[in-house]
Amino acid sequence: AQRVTQPEKLLSVFKGAPVELKCNYSYSGSPELFWYVQYSRQRLQLLLRHISRESIKGFTADLNKGETSFHLKKPFAQEEDSAMYYCALSGSNLNEKLTFGTGTRLTIIP
Amino acid sequence: DTEVTQTPKHLVMGMTNKKSLKCEQHMGHRAMYWYKQKAKKPPELMFVYSYEKLSINESVPSRFSPECPNSSLLNLHLHALQPEDSALYLCASSHLPSANEQFFGPGTRLTVL
Repeated sequence: AQRVTQPEKLLSVFKGAPVELKCNYSYSGSPELFWYVQYSRQRLQLLLRHISRESIKGFTADLNKGETSFHLKKPFAQEEDSAMYYCALSGSNLNEKLTFGTGTRLTIIP
Repeated sequence: DTEVTQTPKHLVMGMTNKKSLKCEQHMGHRAMYWYKQKAKKPPELMFVYSYEKLSINESVPSRFSPECPNSSLLNLHLHALQPEDSALYLCASSHLPSANEQFFGPGTRLTVL
C-alpha cells in the first residue's frame, strides 16, 4: 500500500526565512512524487514533480530514496507563499492512482 | 482552453433528490478523475476514467454513479445521498492515466440536507 506522511499540519515562517515542508512516503515500487499547492480561493495546482527537477517559484524538492523523503524547500520565504501544500505519490505504471498526504498549511509572517 | 471547468459551483440537495455534477476539459486529456474533499482534509480519489472507460472505483457507494459520455465530459450522478456526503467534489484530468500532472477544476460544493 502506498502512503504519504506530512508531519506538520501547520507551519509558520517569517518572511525572508528558509522554508522546509516535510514529506515522507511508503511505496514498494518506483514512485513518482509531486507537490501540489492550493492558494486561497484558487484551485489545486501542481507546484513541482521530482522527475522534472525544476525550481518553481523558488521551491525545490529532491527525492531521497534512502530516507523515502521528498521535502519541499525554499531559501527565502515570501508572503505569497502562504498556502496549503500537499505532497502526493503515484506509481509509475499505467492506471496508478495519486495518493495525497494530509497537507501542511504554510503561513508566512510579514 | 487549458482549464477544467465544473458546474454547478454550489449545490444543495435533499436526501431524496437526484442531481448531477458536470466536468469538462478540452485539453485532449484521456484520463479524468473524481475526488471528494472534506474540510481540512486532502482530496480522496473516488473514480478514474481512462480512455472513457472506468478503470478505478475506490469502493464508492452506489448512490454515486459516474459517467463519461465522451473524452471531454465527466458526470457524477447523485441519488439518495446522506448528509455525510456533503463535501467539495473535485474533477481532474491528465494527459494519460499514469503519473502525469493532474489539472484540477474549482470543485462543486455539495450540501446534503
